[in-house]
Order: sequence, then C-alpha cells, then structure tokens
Amino acid sequence: DAKTTQPPSMDCAEGRAANLPCNHSTISGNEYVYWYRQIHSQGPQYIIHGLKNNETNEMASLIITEDRKSSTLILPHATLRDTAVYYCIVSINNAGNMLTFGGGTRLMVKP
Amino acid sequence: GAGVSQTPSNKVTEKGKYVELRCDPISGHTALYWYRQSLGQGPEFLIYFQGTGAADDSGLPNDRFFAVRPEGSVSTLKIQRTERGDSAVYLCASSPDRGRTGELFFGEGSRLTVL
Repeated sequence: DAKTTQPPSMDCAEGRAANLPCNHSTISGNEYVYWYRQIHSQGPQYIIHGLKNNETNEMASLIITEDRKSSTLILPHATLRDTAVYYCIVSINNAGNMLTFGGGTRLMVKP
Repeated sequence: GAGVSQTPSNKVTEKGKYVELRCDPISGHTALYWYRQSLGQGPEFLIYFQGTGAADDSGLPNDRFFAVRPEGSVSTLKIQRTERGDSAVYLCASSPDRGRTGELFFGEGSRLTVL
C-alpha cells in the first residue's frame, strides 16, 4: 500500500469548515483513498473513500487532486464531537483489504 | 447488537499468563480483521480471516499470537506467555466480502494490560 503523509495535529473553530490534507504521491492507479476517524476510546470509524472523482456523503466531502497525489477531507461545519484522530489511507478495494494506518491528524475542534 | 462486539472490554493479566480475546462480527460479514493499537499510534494489522480460514496472518508479531474462527463468525485471538509489550488495545473489524470491501466496521476494542 502507498504511504501517506498527514500533519500530526490541527485546530478548527466550531462551526467552521475543517480541511484535513493528505499527501499520497506514490499512489497506484488501482488504489483508493480512504478516510477513517477515531474518537477517543472508540474503534476507528469509516468516513468516506474515492478513486478519482470528488465524493460527498452525509459526513464529509473528499477532494482528490487531478494527479491523485494528494487529497483533502472536508468537514463542512465542524462540531465539538468531530474532535478525533483522522486517518488517510490508500489501498486497493478488494476483499481482504488490510488497511495500513499511519499516525493520522489529531483534529481539535474548539468552541 | 448491530455492531461488532468485543469482549472483554478490559483485561489485566500478569506476565506469562494466557489470554483470550473474543470478537463477534456483524452478522453476514465474511471478512474479519484483528488489529493492535499501542498508545499514541495508529492501528496495526495482525490477521485477516475470510470465512473460517486465516487468509493473511502476516501481521502476527510472533508465534505466541494465534487466532481462530472455527465457524466463520466469532473469532478468538489467543496470546500465550504474555509479555508487558503486549499491552495494547486489540481491535476487531468486519466487512462484507463484496461491494464496499474497504469499509471496515470496528468494535470498541479490548484493552489488554500485562503487569
């Protein structure tokens, strides 16, 4: 699996958009970009994933650059409950998908 | 329940003892994963089951660690002769074997402390 690089921590004001960047310059053509988050003392939670096109769901939006070497996860209106560690992972989308977690970005949403 | 269930939620044991951690995946999910998470780090892959068989156990750190899934549902992670370095949160996840295979559903983990 390709390696990802994320800033170790970020702050965001409550109600504002949180934009979490991820670099994955060695991503292969068949690898997807996945985002998970982990709230304190809980298991990781799937957020969103994409291959080439931008994606949006009820939790977040995923913007992938045209060359696919980086992406941004956007939480449009961050709340205090969004405080968590956010993991960007690149992996193929097959059964037996052993996701490789890095250190992630610790997002602190502040009132 | 509807989610992945792990028991016990907390386990304290002494060095050298044997430990079993149990995972109940989401009904119908044929893929099951075990991860280990040390303090301040991301989860680390241990083993993956597809049905009853271990399809990939490349993440198991040594032969003290073993996992089974005899009926293709519940899985047990077994650790022999525990060491203090085994202290971590052990996470279990399951996923469907078709479609959104990258969407893993994690349990809340079993926190193991080896004294």
